[in-house]
Amino acid sequence: DQQVKQNSPSLSVQEGRISILNCDYTNSMFDYFLWYKKYPAEGPTFLISISSIKDKNEDGRFTVFLNKSAKHLSLHIVPSQPGDSAVYFCAASGKSNDMRFGAGTRLTVKP
Amino acid sequence: EAGVVQSPRYKIIEKKQPVAFWCNPISGHNTLYWYRQNLGQGPELLIRYENEEAVDDSQLPKDRFSAERLKGVDSTLKIQPAELGDSAVYLCASSLDYGRETQYFGPGTRLLVL
Repeated sequence: DQQVKQNSPSLSVQEGRISILNCDYTNSMFDYFLWYKKYPAEGPTFLISISSIKDKNEDGRFTVFLNKSAKHLSLHIVPSQPGDSAVYFCAASGKSNDMRFGAGTRLTVKP
Repeated sequence: EAGVVQSPRYKIIEKKQPVAFWCNPISGHNTLYWYRQNLGQGPELLIRYENEEAVDDSQLPKDRFSAERLKGVDSTLKIQPAELGDSAVYLCASSLDYGRETQYFGPGTRLLVL
């Protein structure tokens, strides 16, 4: 069962513009959400997280928004840079759940 | 600080052969995870250790997969015998403890079963 869904397998944006990556989840017990970035031949690296008590968390160019009623979160990258080109995984966990990952979205930032 | 180390990075074997993967977590990290990532999918948890104890192995196919974490440090994941469907990337991750701690991933072992 896919409890975390990333419906866009790929996204292409121009350098300097905003990248918006989306993620939906089905399990209402999830209360902690993360984004990981993965480059080829490397393991995923932690990017940013958000607790369900918040609706926004910002770290430099990266902002994660959480809409609990819609069970939806998004990652905004602004401005996008070519080095941001990678696969981005959304992940979610709850108090008694191990982390569940989405299938990933491949972001390409064109110079 | 050294990251999570995994070896080998790549492995090609014929079906029915055994294979083993090794992981050394970040020093001081009590929790260790093994994930399997199939092509086009996100990582899926196989087993989680807290120190040397396997506390969640519900997703581990126990008929052919085994794991151990002796002394609560490095860990080995074994498949015997391997099947064609086992071709995937096997990722090891570690965290200070279980819960809201960030998981740090190794580079993974890419397994191809022919």
